[in-house]
Amino acid sequence: DAGITQSPRHKVTETGTPVTLRCHQTENHRYMYWYRQDPGHGLRLIHYSYGVKDTDKGEVSDGYSVSRSKTEDFLLTLESATSSQTSVYFCAISEGQPLDEQYFGPGTRLTVT
Amino acid sequence: AQTVTQSQPEMSVQEAETVTLSCTYDTSESDYYLFWYKQPPSRQMILVIRQEAYKQQNATENRFSVNFQKAAKSFSLKISDSQLGDAAMYFCAYRSVEYGNKLVFGAGTILRVKS
Repeated sequence: DAGITQSPRHKVTETGTPVTLRCHQTENHRYMYWYRQDPGHGLRLIHYSYGVKDTDKGEVSDGYSVSRSKTEDFLLTLESATSSQTSVYFCAISEGQPLDEQYFGPGTRLTVT
Repeated sequence: AQTVTQSQPEMSVQEAETVTLSCTYDTSESDYYLFWYKQPPSRQMILVIRQEAYKQQNATENRFSVNFQKAAKSFSLKISDSQLGDAAMYFCAYRSVEYGNKLVFGAGTILRVKS
């Protein structure tokens, strides 16, 4: 299995509070991604990174920010959590070639009350 | 923007039988890649099979094969000799070569395997 960990694995937070999810890899892959999974929508891309300090938006980026100061870590921040951000969040990594597999982390279940 | 549609929210198959999961996509690109991922109850995402659009030959991986119809923009997954361990959510995904190698997923199909 690819070395990807996510922390925390579960979190319950209140509306309006900031939340940071961490993705850590030991594979030295260039690309890192954050997705959210919701029923009826599959996985949708929030943000991705193609190198240290290089990030770009995905299709559902509103309300989220990211940072990547080291190759191995990719942080997802909800500045002020809302109930619509209750979801399962997946981190993924890839070497970056189009046919390369994206390896996924175990996911973080976030509940915003 | 590309879209991926999985029209079957749920499918059932008898153990040892064959089942086909449907996937269609919309794109204006001529070069792209397609994937099927499996998500068992553990929530782990597992790559099942991948296909390069410029290759005419359908990809196969053991009991898993695809029927890729480029003109129809269709990419179905066939599972032969279904096993109880095949029960999972299956996602079809599209990857463009131009946009950061991002994946666009369909909504998923839940596959139930009956013994």
